[in-house]
Amino acid sequence: AQTVTQSQPEMSVQEAETVTLSCTYDTSESDYYLFWYKQPPSRQMILVIRQEAYKQQNATENRFSVNFQKAAKSFSLKISDSQLGDAAMYFCAYRGGSQGNLIFGKGTKLSVKP
Amino acid sequence: EAQVTQNPRYLITVTGKKLTVTCSQNMNHEYMSWYRQDPGLGLRQIYYSMNVEVTDKGDVPEGYKVSRKEKRNFPLILESPSPNQTSLYFCASNRGQGTEAFFGQGTRLTVV
Repeated sequence: AQTVTQSQPEMSVQEAETVTLSCTYDTSESDYYLFWYKQPPSRQMILVIRQEAYKQQNATENRFSVNFQKAAKSFSLKISDSQLGDAAMYFCAYRGGSQGNLIFGKGTKLSVKP
Repeated sequence: EAQVTQNPRYLITVTGKKLTVTCSQNMNHEYMSWYRQDPGLGLRQIYYSMNVEVTDKGDVPEGYKVSRKEKRNFPLILESPSPNQTSLYFCASNRGQGTEAFFGQGTRLTVV
């Protein structure tokens, strides 16, 4: 069975600095998709970034980028120029190419210090 | 506006009293899912549906039922709620297997 592991329950970053959240996953599939979701205190789940496993190029969305290492089964999220509004719970998620279910990690709570 | 709508947002109920949490999406998505979120456990999938009349169990289906009679609606039914079903519940929909999931606002359920 596939698993997703986020080894950092909590992280802290100074405003305007860069922080990296780690995520590793375990799968025997070759076709799959990876996601980072943000959950602010409003508890709304917001997609941050998406990566297809067959694409070697790392996805980027403005200040958010990923370091996707397929062989190592690693999918870390880098947040550059951190802002107070980035403070939230971040979840890494996996979906297999033939699966209907989305598997989440346990989350990393990110605090941003002014 | 494209959205997934859950109701109610908050619910307090007593053990054994049947309840339904509704979920509706207006994006014509084939896939719909239910998750529960508990502290320290992340989100765990309860049930999912890949199309009308097609449903399948997720990781924690015990104590829950779902139905998918129409494409837009995917209600979650708790026939006899118990305190261990106290949780934050999310409904989500997506267009295809690899696409992003759009989430509802969440339903905070407390069973006493």
